[in-house]
Amino acid sequence: QSVLTQSPSVSAAPGQKVTISCSGSNSNIGNNFVSWYRHLPGTPPKLLIYDNSKRPSGIPDRFSGSKSGTSATLAITGLQTGDEADYYCGTWDDSLGVEAFGTGTKVTVL
Amino acid sequence: QITLKESGPTLVKPTETLRLTCSFSGFSLSISENGVGVGWFRQPPGKALEWLALVYWDDDKHYTPSLRRRVTVTKDTSRNQVVLILTNMDPADTATYYCARRQVVEATFDSWGQGTLVTVSS
Repeated sequence: QSVLTQSPSVSAAPGQKVTISCSGSNSNIGNNFVSWYRHLPGTPPKLLIYDNSKRPSGIPDRFSGSKSGTSATLAITGLQTGDEADYYCGTWDDSLGVEAFGTGTKVTVL
Repeated sequence: QITLKESGPTLVKPTETLRLTCSFSGFSLSISENGVGVGWFRQPPGKALEWLALVYWDDDKHYTPSLRRRVTVTKDTSRNQVVLILTNMDPADTATYYCARRQVVEATFDSWGQGTLVTVSS
């Protein structure tokens, strides 16, 4: 149902780096800013990245975002056990006139 | 400080109508403060986060296509509240419902409520 596709899961050891991809189309990622959110079920989602690569105040620079064409990527460096969560990308879809959310990626710290 | 809080019934019966209220502070949906909106999301148990609806300061509204016939969102600027109405509830609508502030320029949801769990069961 989601128009944005993410890999279901990624994992790495503490201190390592993981990248999460978000694939869309010209009507969404290709033409709009992308945001990234971290979500632990039972707690409110938290904004990590907006405008493709900007971090809100308080978000460490271990989190970085980028966009190329119709895909976006979230990178987490210096992985910590507290980074275990579900991560979602989001952007507007011009064709559908809706907010498009990704399918979510579960990050596991080994 | 931006805060949002969802309120409403925790249990509804199948076919009933759900009415959830998002009460917020630290910003306004009045015309004079354009560039903001409030969106609704939900997460069914074990499933992904799903966007449901969005209302802007100018009363522009958007809905997810899969629920378009059942969902309505309204704003009460004087009370700083946004109401989500979902008709003909089904057990598949059991989920934690969240509201969030939308920033138009940044095109992002930057502040979120704690969420409220709604169970649909007879």
